[in-house]
Amino acid sequence: EAGVAQSPRYKIIEKRQSVAFWCNPISGHATLYWYQQILGQGPKLLIQFQNNGVVDDSQLPKDRFSAERLKGVDSTLKIQPAKLEDSAVYLCASSVEPGQGEAFFGQGTRLTVV
Amino acid sequence: GNSVTQMEGPVTLSEEAFLTINCTYTATGYPSLFWYVQYPGEGLQLLLKATKADDKGSNKGFEATYRKETTSFHLEKGSVQVSDSAVYFCALSEWGAGKSTFGDGTTLTVKP
Repeated sequence: EAGVAQSPRYKIIEKRQSVAFWCNPISGHATLYWYQQILGQGPKLLIQFQNNGVVDDSQLPKDRFSAERLKGVDSTLKIQPAKLEDSAVYLCASSVEPGQGEAFFGQGTRLTVV
Repeated sequence: GNSVTQMEGPVTLSEEAFLTINCTYTATGYPSLFWYVQYPGEGLQLLLKATKADDKGSNKGFEATYRKETTSFHLEKGSVQVSDSAVYFCALSEWGAGKSTFGDGTTLTVKP
């Protein structure tokens, strides 16, 4: 079974530029999560989708971050404009359903904002 | 709100030593508890889980018991190997919510 796919693996941009990350979850997984992991910290939820609807985006900085999951499959997370403090690893995860909470994670995209 | 506190690292052990990584949590309900592991250059992988009080999760020689009375979920392994070197994250999730709250991770280095 293929795992959660993310791209790109690494991205370096200048502040105030825009960037987009892509995630393809495991086939059949209805729930998709985007987490932000700052160096030395644990992942923190940015947004959770159930199929193509948003379940929780309470921690998403909506003035600069946006995410969509069209057709309830793959998803895109965008940052515009980027700030230095956005430097982090962006993790995508998926699960069959919310259920007990365990999730399958992709390898992440490491973003460096200079 | 929910929170997870892990013992600070890094932890350095010799091969075959006993491992304990402490984890305590605060939650409004009765969450499921997890340990995830992140090997160098890889994503997080679920190591083990427990869904109710007194449950013991186990995998690859690692164990953790859900202790409701002490709100703890400590990770243990009797004899670590070099290949266990990784970052370990404790996490909780309320039933049906899906999202997880993570600790800040503990880096384990095992030396031959």
